[in-house]
Amino acid sequence: NAGVTQTPKFRVLKTGQSMTLLCAQDMNHEYMYWYRQDPGMGLRLIHYSVGEGTTAKGEVPDGYNVSRLKKQNFLLGLESAAPSQTSVYFCASSHLAARGGELFFGEGSRLTVL
Amino acid sequence: AQTVTQSQPEMSVQEAETVTLSCTYDTSESNYYLFWYKQPPSRQMILVIRQEAYKQQNATENRFSVNFQKAAKSFSLKISDSQLGDTAMYFCAFMYDAGGTSYGKLTFGQGTILTVHP
Repeated sequence: NAGVTQTPKFRVLKTGQSMTLLCAQDMNHEYMYWYRQDPGMGLRLIHYSVGEGTTAKGEVPDGYNVSRLKKQNFLLGLESAAPSQTSVYFCASSHLAARGGELFFGEGSRLTVL
Repeated sequence: AQTVTQSQPEMSVQEAETVTLSCTYDTSESNYYLFWYKQPPSRQMILVIRQEAYKQQNATENRFSVNFQKAAKSFSLKISDSQLGDTAMYFCAFMYDAGGTSYGKLTFGQGTILTVHP
């Protein structure tokens, strides 16, 4: 009964390094999202996907890229990490047909950029 | 664009008492949904309660209830009989209903840290 799984859970990067966060969901959801959580700012949407092969920009997309090659996976990439990207990243998914439906979240990935 | 404001960064309550968390939002849309999510120290986001804007009746889920004032754009969460396990950060969130084309995107408030004391 995994739900939404994020890997890795923790990562420390140096400025300029690259990395990829993987999100996997086993609920056959169409929609997937990447949010970042920062103190005093709540969660902000980075990118989202409405189906396999699709991606779209959210509120704070700069410095990030995403891919949805398989329906169950949504990858978030940082090509050249910056200290401003130090944050906790959450992946979420929801069902296409459930208008106003619940988003199911992963446990978060804490990223520190030195 | 929608904005969600939670003006109480921190709140505390004694076990078994009642506490109310405030949330206001700004939107020009008439069809939308409002949510309260709970984030305990484990970081897992958990849906607490959901309200459809077109419904006059306030949503309730066991000890959790909301006071939805559409004209005032206010959506407060009341927790009755507070328990130690209610200690968490609580987020208010807004979802625009564009007939299926809003794609379920949530706009979150800043969060309120609630501490329940024994």
